[in-house]
Amino acid sequence: QKEVEQDPGPLSVPEGAIVSLNCTYSNSAFQYFMWYRQYSRKGPELLMYTYSSGNKEDGRFTAQVDKSSKYISLFIRDSQPSDSATYLCAMSVLSLIQGAQKLVFGQGTRLTINP
Amino acid sequence: SQTIHQWPATLVQPVGSPLSLECTVEGTSNPNLYWYRQAAGRGLQLLFYSVGIGQISSEVPQNLSASRPQDRQFILSSKKLLLSDSGFYLCAWSGIKQGASSYNEQFFGPGTRLTVL
Repeated sequence: QKEVEQDPGPLSVPEGAIVSLNCTYSNSAFQYFMWYRQYSRKGPELLMYTYSSGNKEDGRFTAQVDKSSKYISLFIRDSQPSDSATYLCAMSVLSLIQGAQKLVFGQGTRLTINP
Repeated sequence: SQTIHQWPATLVQPVGSPLSLECTVEGTSNPNLYWYRQAAGRGLQLLFYSVGIGQISSEVPQNLSASRPQDRQFILSSKKLLLSDSGFYLCAWSGIKQGASSYNEQFFGPGTRLTVL
Protein backbone atom coordinates (compact mmCIF):
# COMPACT_ATOMS: atom_id res chain seq x y z
CA GLN A 1 0.00 0.00 0.00
CA LYS A 2 1.32 3.41 -0.94
CA GLU A 3 1.73 5.94 1.86
CA VAL A 4 -0.27 8.49 -0.13
CA GLU A 5 -3.02 7.65 -2.62
CA GLN A 6 -4.38 10.15 -5.12
CA ASP A 7 -6.68 9.47 -8.06
CA PRO A 8 -4.73 10.45 -11.18
CA GLY A 9 -7.89 11.34 -13.11
CA PRO A 10 -8.11 12.87 -15.63
CA LEU A 11 -10.88 15.09 -14.28
CA SER A 12 -12.75 17.39 -16.67
CA VAL A 13 -15.35 19.92 -15.48
CA PRO A 14 -17.10 22.99 -16.97
CA GLU A 15 -15.97 26.49 -16.11
CA GLY A 16 -17.55 27.77 -12.90
CA ALA A 17 -17.94 24.33 -11.33
CA ILE A 18 -16.72 23.45 -7.85
CA VAL A 19 -13.81 21.02 -8.02
CA SER A 20 -12.95 18.56 -5.30
CA LEU A 21 -9.52 16.89 -5.25
CA ASN A 22 -8.63 14.31 -2.64
CA CYS A 23 -5.82 12.27 -1.13
CA THR A 24 -5.75 9.54 1.47
CA TYR A 25 -2.75 8.53 3.51
CA SER A 26 -1.78 5.69 5.78
CA ASN A 27 0.98 7.16 7.98
CA SER A 28 -0.57 8.71 11.08
CA ALA A 29 2.73 10.52 11.77
CA PHE A 30 2.06 12.93 8.92
CA GLN A 31 1.29 16.35 10.37
CA TYR A 32 2.01 18.79 7.56
CA PHE A 33 -0.05 18.83 4.38
CA MET A 34 0.51 20.70 1.15
CA TRP A 35 -1.08 21.12 -2.25
CA TYR A 36 1.01 21.91 -5.29
CA ARG A 37 -0.16 22.97 -8.74
CA GLN A 38 1.89 21.93 -11.74
CA TYR A 39 1.32 23.30 -15.20
CA SER A 40 2.45 21.23 -18.16
CA ARG A 41 6.24 21.07 -18.45
CA LYS A 42 6.75 23.33 -15.42
CA GLY A 43 7.89 22.78 -11.86
CA PRO A 44 5.25 22.41 -9.12
CA GLU A 45 4.25 25.59 -7.28
CA LEU A 46 3.05 25.57 -3.71
CA LEU A 47 -0.65 26.46 -3.46
CA MET A 48 -1.55 25.88 0.15
CA TYR A 49 -0.24 24.25 3.29
CA THR A 50 -1.70 23.38 6.64
CA TYR A 51 -0.73 21.45 9.74
CA SER A 52 -3.99 21.15 11.54
CA SER A 53 -7.32 19.48 11.01
CA GLY A 54 -10.08 21.65 9.64
CA ASN A 55 -10.36 24.09 6.77
CA LYS A 56 -8.04 26.77 5.42
CA GLU A 57 -9.19 29.23 2.78
CA ASP A 58 -7.21 31.27 0.30
CA GLY A 59 -9.34 33.03 -2.27
CA ARG A 60 -11.12 30.43 -4.39
CA PHE A 61 -9.14 27.58 -2.81
CA THR A 62 -10.00 25.70 0.38
CA ALA A 63 -7.80 23.00 1.88
CA GLN A 64 -9.43 20.55 4.24
CA VAL A 65 -7.73 18.03 6.52
CA ASP A 66 -9.40 15.21 8.43
CA LYS A 67 -6.70 13.47 10.42
CA SER A 68 -9.11 10.99 12.00
CA SER A 69 -9.95 9.65 8.53
CA LYS A 70 -6.47 10.31 7.10
CA TYR A 71 -8.08 12.25 4.28
CA ILE A 72 -7.24 15.64 2.76
CA SER A 73 -9.09 17.64 0.13
CA LEU A 74 -8.63 20.71 -2.03
CA PHE A 75 -11.72 22.55 -3.21
CA ILE A 76 -11.67 25.05 -6.04
CA ARG A 77 -14.67 27.37 -6.30
CA ASP A 78 -15.70 29.17 -9.49
CA SER A 79 -13.15 27.17 -11.46
CA GLN A 80 -11.44 28.90 -14.36
CA PRO A 81 -9.70 27.51 -17.49
CA SER A 82 -6.45 28.84 -15.99
CA ASP A 83 -6.91 26.31 -13.16
CA SER A 84 -6.27 23.51 -15.65
CA ALA A 85 -3.17 21.75 -14.33
CA THR A 86 -2.03 18.72 -12.38
CA TYR A 87 -2.60 19.02 -8.63
CA LEU A 88 -0.30 17.12 -6.30
CA CYS A 89 -0.83 16.56 -2.62
CA ALA A 90 2.22 16.21 -0.39
CA MET A 91 2.73 15.54 3.27
CA SER A 92 5.40 15.13 5.89
CA VAL A 93 6.13 14.81 9.53
CA LEU A 94 6.17 18.32 11.03
CA SER A 95 9.69 19.65 11.44
CA LEU A 96 10.41 22.54 13.78
CA ILE A 97 14.17 22.42 13.39
CA GLN A 98 16.37 22.98 10.43
CA GLY A 99 16.90 19.85 8.41
CA ALA A 100 15.90 18.25 5.16
CA GLN A 101 12.25 17.35 5.30
CA LYS A 102 11.12 14.45 3.18
CA LEU A 103 7.83 15.04 1.46
CA VAL A 104 5.71 12.16 0.28
CA PHE A 105 3.74 13.06 -2.83
CA GLY A 106 0.57 11.72 -4.31
CA GLN A 107 0.57 10.76 -7.97
CA GLY A 108 -1.19 13.98 -8.96
CA THR A 109 -4.65 14.58 -10.44
CA ARG A 110 -4.83 16.04 -13.93
CA LEU A 111 -7.60 18.64 -14.04
CA THR A 112 -9.11 20.34 -17.10
CA ILE A 113 -11.58 23.22 -16.85
CA ASN A 114 -13.60 23.55 -20.04
CA PRO A 115 -14.72 27.07 -21.12
CA SER B 1 13.14 37.35 -2.92
CA GLN B 2 14.28 33.78 -3.36
CA THR B 3 14.65 32.20 -6.78
CA ILE B 4 15.78 28.79 -7.97
CA HIS B 5 17.34 28.10 -11.34
CA GLN B 6 17.89 24.88 -13.25
CA TRP B 7 19.69 24.22 -16.49
CA PRO B 8 19.52 23.05 -19.07
CA ALA B 9 15.75 23.15 -19.58
CA THR B 10 15.79 20.29 -22.08
CA LEU B 11 18.40 17.66 -22.82
CA VAL B 12 18.60 14.73 -25.24
CA GLN B 13 21.45 12.34 -24.58
CA PRO B 14 22.51 8.94 -25.98
CA VAL B 15 22.65 5.87 -23.78
CA GLY B 16 26.04 5.57 -22.10
CA SER B 17 26.84 9.28 -22.19
CA PRO B 18 27.56 11.31 -19.02
CA LEU B 19 25.13 13.74 -17.41
CA SER B 20 25.43 16.93 -15.41
CA LEU B 21 22.40 18.95 -14.31
CA GLU B 22 22.83 22.08 -12.26
CA CYS B 23 20.62 23.85 -9.75
CA THR B 24 21.29 27.14 -7.98
CA VAL B 25 19.31 29.07 -5.39
CA GLU B 26 19.44 32.83 -4.85
CA GLY B 27 18.23 35.00 -2.00
CA THR B 28 18.73 32.62 0.90
CA SER B 29 21.60 30.98 2.73
CA ASN B 30 22.21 27.42 3.89
CA PRO B 31 19.12 25.99 2.19
CA ASN B 32 18.20 22.33 2.23
CA LEU B 33 18.36 21.11 -1.36
CA TYR B 34 16.58 18.25 -3.08
CA TRP B 35 16.63 16.40 -6.40
CA TYR B 36 13.45 14.70 -7.60
CA ARG B 37 12.55 12.74 -10.71
CA GLN B 38 9.06 12.74 -12.17
CA ALA B 39 8.26 10.05 -14.73
CA ALA B 40 5.37 10.66 -17.13
CA GLY B 41 2.05 10.54 -15.28
CA ARG B 42 3.74 9.70 -12.02
CA GLY B 43 4.35 11.48 -8.74
CA LEU B 44 7.67 12.87 -7.58
CA GLN B 45 10.40 10.48 -6.51
CA LEU B 46 13.01 11.91 -4.13
CA LEU B 47 16.50 11.04 -5.36
CA PHE B 48 18.91 13.01 -3.14
CA TYR B 49 18.84 15.68 -0.49
CA SER B 50 21.50 17.85 1.13
CA VAL B 51 21.57 19.86 4.35
CA GLY B 52 24.95 21.48 3.67
CA ILE B 53 28.08 21.67 1.53
CA GLY B 54 29.41 18.20 0.81
CA GLN B 55 26.55 16.51 2.69
CA ILE B 56 24.52 14.27 0.40
CA SER B 57 21.92 11.67 1.31
CA SER B 58 20.74 9.19 -1.27
CA GLU B 59 17.18 7.91 -1.22
CA VAL B 60 17.19 5.43 -4.06
CA PRO B 61 20.16 3.34 -5.22
CA GLN B 62 20.63 4.01 -8.90
CA ASN B 63 22.81 5.18 -11.70
CA LEU B 64 22.94 8.77 -10.48
CA SER B 65 24.99 10.78 -7.99
CA ALA B 66 24.73 14.26 -6.50
CA SER B 67 27.18 16.83 -5.22
CA ARG B 68 26.97 20.16 -3.43
CA PRO B 69 30.20 22.05 -4.05
CA GLN B 70 28.83 25.41 -2.82
CA ASP B 71 26.14 26.46 -0.36
CA ARG B 72 23.54 27.25 -3.01
CA GLN B 73 24.60 24.89 -5.78
CA PHE B 74 23.39 21.34 -6.27
CA ILE B 75 24.52 19.10 -9.12
CA LEU B 76 23.06 15.83 -10.38
CA SER B 77 25.40 13.59 -12.36
CA SER B 78 25.76 10.28 -14.07
CA LYS B 79 28.78 8.61 -15.64
CA LYS B 80 26.72 6.50 -18.05
CA LEU B 81 23.07 7.19 -18.77
CA LEU B 82 20.49 4.42 -19.09
CA LEU B 83 17.21 4.53 -21.00
CA SER B 84 15.41 4.37 -17.66
CA ASP B 85 17.02 7.67 -16.61
CA SER B 86 14.67 9.58 -18.90
CA GLY B 87 12.29 11.86 -17.03
CA PHE B 88 11.62 15.31 -15.66
CA TYR B 89 14.22 16.29 -13.06
CA LEU B 90 13.27 18.83 -10.45
CA CYS B 91 15.40 20.64 -7.93
CA ALA B 92 13.79 22.07 -4.80
CA TRP B 93 14.85 23.99 -1.70
CA SER B 94 13.55 24.59 1.79
CA GLY B 95 14.76 26.87 4.56
CA ILE B 96 14.65 30.60 5.28
CA LYS B 97 12.10 32.35 3.09
CA GLN B 98 11.33 36.04 3.43
CA GLY B 99 12.64 36.16 6.97
CA ALA B 100 10.69 33.17 8.23
CA SER B 101 11.76 29.59 8.65
CA SER B 102 10.08 27.22 6.28
CA TYR B 103 11.53 23.79 6.70
CA ASN B 104 8.43 21.87 5.71
CA GLU B 105 7.53 23.65 2.51
CA GLN B 106 9.66 22.99 -0.54
CA PHE B 107 9.96 25.33 -3.50
CA PHE B 108 10.68 23.92 -6.91
CA GLY B 109 12.72 25.00 -9.88
CA PRO B 110 11.48 24.94 -13.49
CA GLY B 111 12.86 21.44 -14.13
CA THR B 112 15.01 19.72 -16.75
CA ARG B 113 13.39 17.35 -19.22
CA LEU B 114 15.88 14.57 -20.00
CA THR B 115 15.41 12.13 -22.87
CA VAL B 116 17.85 9.25 -23.18
CA LEU B 117 17.86 7.61 -26.62
